[in-house]
Amino acid sequence: GAVVSQHPSRVICKSGTSVKIECRSLDFQATTMFWYRQFPKQSLMLMATSNEGSKATYEQGVEKDKFLINHASLTLSTLTVTSAHPEDSSFYICSARDPNSPPDTQYFGPGTRLTVL
Amino acid sequence: AQSVTQLDSQVPVFEEAPVELRCNYSSSVSVYLFWYVQYPNQGLQLLLKYLSGSTLVKGINGFEAEFNKSQTSFHLRKPSVHISDTAEYFCAVTPTGGSRLTFGEGTQLTVNP
Repeated sequence: GAVVSQHPSRVICKSGTSVKIECRSLDFQATTMFWYRQFPKQSLMLMATSNEGSKATYEQGVEKDKFLINHASLTLSTLTVTSAHPEDSSFYICSARDPNSPPDTQYFGPGTRLTVL
Repeated sequence: AQSVTQLDSQVPVFEEAPVELRCNYSSSVSVYLFWYVQYPNQGLQLLLKYLSGSTLVKGINGFEAEFNKSQTSFHLRKPSVHISDTAEYFCAVTPTGGSRLTFGEGTQLTVNP
């Protein structure tokens, strides 16, 4: 089956620094990738939809200047958390759509645990 | 817009017992329905999905779910659970033909020996 990877799996950073998280589709070209955020014991909340070669579409309430998304190639999307603060600590999960699969199909990455001190 | 409600935040059961995890949804348009499983510190794995056709859907690991349009429900069942089924389970919907998922709050299934 299709595989999506994320790097790093865990990251700890100091408040005020920026952190980049990578999401890669390993065996297919993903025209669309999604970024989710999951707080402890809570559900996944869609942050943004990333389309290759165009600007990401952010969900209401998500600061686009704080959560920078770049989908520069068909196999890579990056999420940069700028000037991170402790409240940004969360589990970030990406998913990717394979255009050769039905539109309902998303392949999820293993997630990135961000801890901001 | 869609919304999903998972009625139980935690479900403890004994090994080999049957289990049902409940999910109700709200939508003004027709939807696709999904159940995902999440093991600790991991991403989501698709258990099963309903797109159309038979309302009883069978998935991986012996799970099945039944779509009930009149009750707007999509409950997940397994006749006999294993310790390894301990995980968080998420119900999700997307508009028919779409890909934007809306998730429920999740149900923590804990299978005890």
